[in-house]
Order: sequence, then C-alpha cells, then structure tokens
Amino acid sequence: EVQLLESGGGLVQPGGSLRLSCAASGFTFSSYAITWVRQAPGKGLEWVSTISRNGGSTYYADSVKGRFTISRDDSKNTLYLQMNSLRAEDTAVYYCARDWGWEPSSYYYYMDVWGKGTAVTVSS
Amino acid sequence: EIVLTQSPGTLSLSPGERATLSCRASQSVSSSYLAWYQQKPGQAPRLLIYGASSRATGIPDRFSGSGSGTDFTLTISRLEPEDFAVYYCQQYGGSLLTFGGGTKVEIK
Repeated sequence: EVQLLESGGGLVQPGGSLRLSCAASGFTFSSYAITWVRQAPGKGLEWVSTISRNGGSTYYADSVKGRFTISRDDSKNTLYLQMNSLRAEDTAVYYCARDWGWEPSSYYYYMDVWGKGTAVTVSS
Repeated sequence: EIVLTQSPGTLSLSPGERATLSCRASQSVSSSYLAWYQQKPGQAPRLLIYGASSRATGIPDRFSGSGSGTDFTLTISRLEPEDFAVYYCQQYGGSLLTFGGGTKVEIK
C-alpha cells in the first residue's frame, strides 16, 4: 500500500524548534518530489515547502523561509522538516504529500498521496 | 504570487443536486498546473482533478473539472451524501504553490 506517515509534532514554546518526519512506503520514494502542506485550526491549506526528487532543489513559502529546512534521506525513505524560531502562527496540522511536479520534465503539478498529518502547537 | 479565489464560500445543496464550484486566478494559470482536492473533517486532502480536467485514479465520473486561463470550475453532477466536504483548488507558478481558500459544500 502506498503510504506516507508523519511524526514529530507536539507542543513547543515560541522560539523553539521541532523536527517533523515523514516516512514513505509502498512506492519508490527517491523518484518523487515531496511537499509539506499545513493547515491552521479552522483554516485552509497552505503550502510550506517542497524538495525535488534528488534533493538538489528546495523551495519554501515566504512565511517559513529562513526558519524551516526541508531535507530527505532516500536510504531511509524519509522526509524531514526542521522548524526553528517557531511562532504561534506556525500552529497547524502538517501534512506531507507525494508531488508529481517540480522537475524540468514535469507536465502536471499535483499531490496524489497524502499522510494523515501531525499536529504542531506553538504556545507558552 | 498568483492568488486563487474560490466562490462561493459555502454552497448549501441537497443530495442529487448539481454543484458548481469556481476558482478564479489573479493571473493566467497553465491548465496543466491546476488541481482540485476534497477534504473531509479530520482527514487529509484527497486529489480529485489534475491538469484542470483529468480525474485522479478512483474518482467517480460525477466529478468533472473545466476551465482555462484564470477561470476554472469543479462540477459535481449529482451530489452523493459522501460528497459534502470542503473543496480546494491549487496551482503552481513561479516556484510557488498556492491554494484557494476553499468552498464548503454543505447539506441543505
């Protein structure tokens, strides 16, 4: 079964750090770009970051640029999101998703497999 | 940054009725880069449509997408009870992904 499973969420104080993980199974992880999307309580979806399939290119939303770092370990089929200098507005459920875009050969841009999400709460 | 505006914010309909959801972009979007997702409470989003009009694997044919340029539409031909949810459009452009604010389809 094709699956993504996020972990690492929790309660953290403002200014603190957290590292999220996303474990993939059932498909060739290294062949896909992977994206983080978040959803604040009661709000819509917000793109956070994407890493290309070889890890050579990373992309960030302005709201997290300079604070968050996306990375991947294809030997472990795992994606990471290192979140530093966390703010209250980073409170959200964070989803990882398999992404068909972001490559020079990409014709479509969409995310077809999503994890169940991990909740991050930034509060004192 | 391309802004996607979805309307209406909420659509109140009965099962069996037709739903028409709009997604308008602040600049022209390549049809290949426009997707639609469905999200139910407590669940992750689910891909419905990619490339503006192609149904994702396993999506019933009552869901259809259309449009080009700045105006895109998701149509649900006859609402089933399981279709009541929030729907988001999404586009890629300029190394950025953006989502619309969502349309909630609720039972009237």
